[in-house]
Amino acid sequence: GQQLNQSPQSMFIQEGEDVSMNCTSSSIFNTWLWYKQDPGEGPVLLIALYKAGELTSNGRLTAQFGITRKDSFLNISASIPSDVGIYFCAGPRLISTGKLIFGQGTTLQVKP
Amino acid sequence: EAGVTQFPSHSVIEKGQTVTLRCDPISGHDNLYWYRRVMGKEIKFLLHFVKESKQDESGMPNNRFLAERTGGTYSTLKVQPAELEDSGVYFCASSQELGQGTDTQYFGPGTRLTVL
Repeated sequence: GQQLNQSPQSMFIQEGEDVSMNCTSSSIFNTWLWYKQDPGEGPVLLIALYKAGELTSNGRLTAQFGITRKDSFLNISASIPSDVGIYFCAGPRLISTGKLIFGQGTTLQVKP
Repeated sequence: EAGVTQFPSHSVIEKGQTVTLRCDPISGHDNLYWYRRVMGKEIKFLLHFVKESKQDESGMPNNRFLAERTGGTYSTLKVQPAELEDSGVYFCASSQELGQGTDTQYFGPGTRLTVL
């Protein structure tokens, strides 16, 4: 079945550093989603991408939908302690259904 | 507006027991989803309700899992009998739109289930 391979698995960085994580698939996705899960909470949608090549920003976050439709990356600039959490990439199995496929997650820790 | 709520937040049971998880979606959301994350792995889809009907239950692991959404409002997910491998965090999500891939799904905080 479709799988999303997310890397790195975890990151431990200093406050103020930039962060980059990516997600790849052997199958084409027509929508890429990036979620963040804070400790004790459920995932919250950060950015949604709908077109190949699309580059979208949300504050200090920037995400891109790869040209091949098989990958996406998320960048966080000037990290702060509240960026701590688990970041998931996701995409719908088929555009006609709501079933989402998720990556394994990237756990981010930020040292003040 | 209240978000998606789930009850209980934690449940610890012994193998062979029964557990029922509850999800209250955002008011007015017809689409309700159940997902599960086993420790350190990806979040996996379990099933999708549109109102009270099961639209897609392809992710349900086996017949020990039973999901219901009577009246199209809240949903329950019952595990009977529970096995060790059922441990994980069970998330519920809801969406307002068409139940398609472009909808925004809003997630609840999850229920952490531990089977001993």
